This record gives sequence, C-alpha cells and structure tokens, in this order.
Amino acid sequence: IAGITQAPTSQILAAGRRMTLRCTQDMRHNAMYWYRQDLGLGLRLIHYSNTAGTTGKGEVPDGYSVSRANTDDFPLTLASAVPSQTSVYFCASSDSTSGVTDTQYFGPGTRLTVL
Amino acid sequence: GQNIDQPTEMTATEGAIVQINCTYQTSGFNGLFWYQQHAGEAPTFLSYNVLDGLEEKGRFSSFLSRSKGYSYLLLKELQMKDSASYLCAVMDSNYQLIWGAGTKLIIKP
Repeated sequence: IAGITQAPTSQILAAGRRMTLRCTQDMRHNAMYWYRQDLGLGLRLIHYSNTAGTTGKGEVPDGYSVSRANTDDFPLTLASAVPSQTSVYFCASSDSTSGVTDTQYFGPGTRLTVL
Repeated sequence: GQNIDQPTEMTATEGAIVQINCTYQTSGFNGLFWYQQHAGEAPTFLSYNVLDGLEEKGRFSSFLSRSKGYSYLLLKELQMKDSASYLCAVMDSNYQLIWGAGTKLIIKP
C-alpha cells in the first residue's frame, strides 16, 4: 500500500540519549517534512527537504538534525534528547518542487516521551 | 508574526450542520488547507482553497475570503464519525504551511 511509514510508533527515551526517528515514503514525492504536534499548539515545522540532497530549517529546528540521502527516506535525529522534546512527531511528503503549492500527506506519527 | 485562529472546541448534533471558522494573518498567501485529524491518528487532507469562494466536496464545503483573511469549513449531515479535530493551515510566501491549533468537534447523538 502506497504511503508514508514511520518508526518507531512510540518510544520512551532517557534524557541525554541519541534517537533517530525513521520516515519512508513510496510515492516518489520530491518534498518531505518533519513536524511536531503538542497539545494546544498547531503543527510546527522542524526541518524540510525540497528534494533529495537538500534540507532546510523550519520553525523549531534546534536540537534536531535531518538528512536526505535519497528520495524515499528522511530520518530525524535528536542528538541529545531533552524533556521538552516530548511530543508527537509527524513526517509528511508532497509531490512539489520549491515554490509550488501542493498537498502534504502525513505518516502515522511517532509518540516520543523523554524522561 | 504569523497567526492562525480557530475555535478550540465545538459541539454539534448528529444530522445537523456545523461551520468551523478560521482567520489568518500570514506573510503572503499561497493557499489555505483544511485537514481532519481523528484522535491518535495522522492529519488527512480535506480541502484546498486559493481563490475566493466556496469549494464543495460531498458533505464538506470550504469557503475563502482573501480580503478578510477568513475561511470556514462547513460540514453537513453530521455523522458520529465526523468527531475529530479540524486543522486550518495557510501556505505562506515561503511555501511553508502555518498551522492553527485545531478545532475539536464533538458530535452528540
């Protein structure tokens, strides 16, 4: 079934640990995004990639890094997790190049708790 | 700053009609999206408006007025499965989506 997968589904992590959230899409979309969703707040963009080999910073990039080695995969890494990074993380993709409006499609999310 | 405002929560009755409003102030405008999000699930796309007016899609319609910075999502013939959060998002001048906090819609029998 075509779409976006994320792993893990949920994770409890000790503060200070390194963690990589995985995201894979099979729709051959150019653009991919990482958001975090916190209660009472809208989705906030962490990092994005308009095409393989390029990445950009969103609204809340501090403490996170990404890479885009190929079209399908867009992992998000927390180098040293802190409790404020407790959130639900959504990966999304769209079939757009830079400067074009297109619909974003979301993965099922990863619920991360940092203690 | 950029801002998207929508009501936190609304309640409606099964079979009725409900209108969820969204007002926005963004740096530039390249379209407005509505998404539906059931509890514990991912947002799913409902509608897109870039020109003024009403877009109808089955039981759901979305309206846009760019001069007023205003949109609404209209849900007709409400069903229990419509209980969800509805997210308004605007694509700004950098082609990034700015999201509202969402409106939780509770449907009562």
